[in-house]
Amino acid sequence: DAGVTQSPTHLIKTRGQQVTLRCSPKSGHDTVSWYQQALGQGPQFIFQYYEEEERQRGNFPDRFSGHQFPNYSSELNVNALLLGDSALYLCASSSIVKREGVDTQYFGPGTRLTVL
Amino acid sequence: SQQGEEDPQALSIQEGENATMNCSYKTSINNLQWYRQNSGRGLVHLILIRSNEREKHSGRLRVTLDTSKKSSSLLITASRAADTASYFCATGYGSEKLVFGKGTKLTVNP
Repeated sequence: DAGVTQSPTHLIKTRGQQVTLRCSPKSGHDTVSWYQQALGQGPQFIFQYYEEEERQRGNFPDRFSGHQFPNYSSELNVNALLLGDSALYLCASSSIVKREGVDTQYFGPGTRLTVL
Repeated sequence: SQQGEEDPQALSIQEGENATMNCSYKTSINNLQWYRQNSGRGLVHLILIRSNEREKHSGRLRVTLDTSKKSSSLLITASRAADTASYFCATGYGSEKLVFGKGTKLTVNP
């Protein structure tokens, strides 16, 4: 049973560029959440997708957008990249329908984004 | 802003010793979870405790929750070098977002 997968593993971009990160949830999960983790900090919630809709959003600007596909996989898009967007981006999956693990969120390995 | 605050920020112990990390939070919660992170990689879920539970065990892990004090502790017994990692507490409500603290960096010396 595959866990949460993310691609790419590492990414280097320059300021002003746009980036797309991808996430496939754990088998049987229908909800995907994205988090940003700056160096030395805890993860910060960006947004959550369920049934292809943004269900909840954290305190991030509109430059951060996402999408969920019918197969529950998800993308995170960041436009007009800033140096401060350099971070580890984590995807987490869970199941609202099954309530598996009593609301436990399972995390992927993350994508390390460096903005130069 | 981060709701959970772990204490201490860093902890260094010898193999075989016990490690205790604390977490405080600000608002009412539905559950509190502890995660481990090795070298800036993905988070591994360790244990979840509900707001109506006071203590929970999983292998060498023991978690307590005191909702009146809005605090939790994670105890790792008989620590091993492989336990070296950062440990985060995260507060949640249902399947909503998790709010993480800054973490405790644990070093277990062989």
